Amino acid sequence: RKEVEQDPGPFNVPEGATVAFNCTYSNSASQSFFWYRQDCRKEPKLLMSVYSSGNEDGRFTAQLNRASQYISLLIRDSKLSDSATYLCVVNPSGGYQKVTFGTGTKLQVIP
Amino acid sequence: SAVISQKPSRDICQRGTSLTIQCQVDSQVTMMFWYRQQPGQSLTLIATANQGSEATYESGFVIDKFPISRPNLTFSTLTVSNMSPEDSSIYLCSVDDSYNEQFFGPGTRLTVL
Repeated sequence: RKEVEQDPGPFNVPEGATVAFNCTYSNSASQSFFWYRQDCRKEPKLLMSVYSSGNEDGRFTAQLNRASQYISLLIRDSKLSDSATYLCVVNPSGGYQKVTFGTGTKLQVIP
Repeated sequence: SAVISQKPSRDICQRGTSLTIQCQVDSQVTMMFWYRQQPGQSLTLIATANQGSEATYESGFVIDKFPISRPNLTFSTLTVSNMSPEDSSIYLCSVDDSYNEQFFGPGTRLTVL
């Protein structure tokens, strides 16, 4: 089993739709979780951290399910500008240790 | 968040040559990370560069192929040595903050002919 797994997509959704991605992780002791966004030919940029209680930032909601070992990202009212690859990132310990990147889920929002 | 620059932004190189990539951060950081992202793939950590000590390499990466320098707390270099077409990739440096959030440079797009 991969350390971090994501559905590569692509997810093609119309503008205004709600879309959700899941990411599963194998290390039950993992402490820190993140979602990054990567636009084509650009570097990854932090979208949001994922807290145990879940967190929301505008149209974006991230949640953590420790029992099932997955994190999710929900995007409401999709915009064309949301088209990108969304990378799930897991840090095993919460202290310094290398993070593991998922392979990403590609989202294409269509007019 | 830290501001990170990389040079060169892209290069096309001949097989057997070497390329040194520079990474500059606008603040002092303890650790700097070097990643590779091959076409259509996610990011793979090459090594972690600490100032004043040898870099720590991940499985599958060796110092002879990817020597790293870390002369001070704001700068690091990664050299891709004796290049082959399989080294064609995007190379990214990053730093993390106290929350383990990573911030990336814009990347160096390398093509080896």
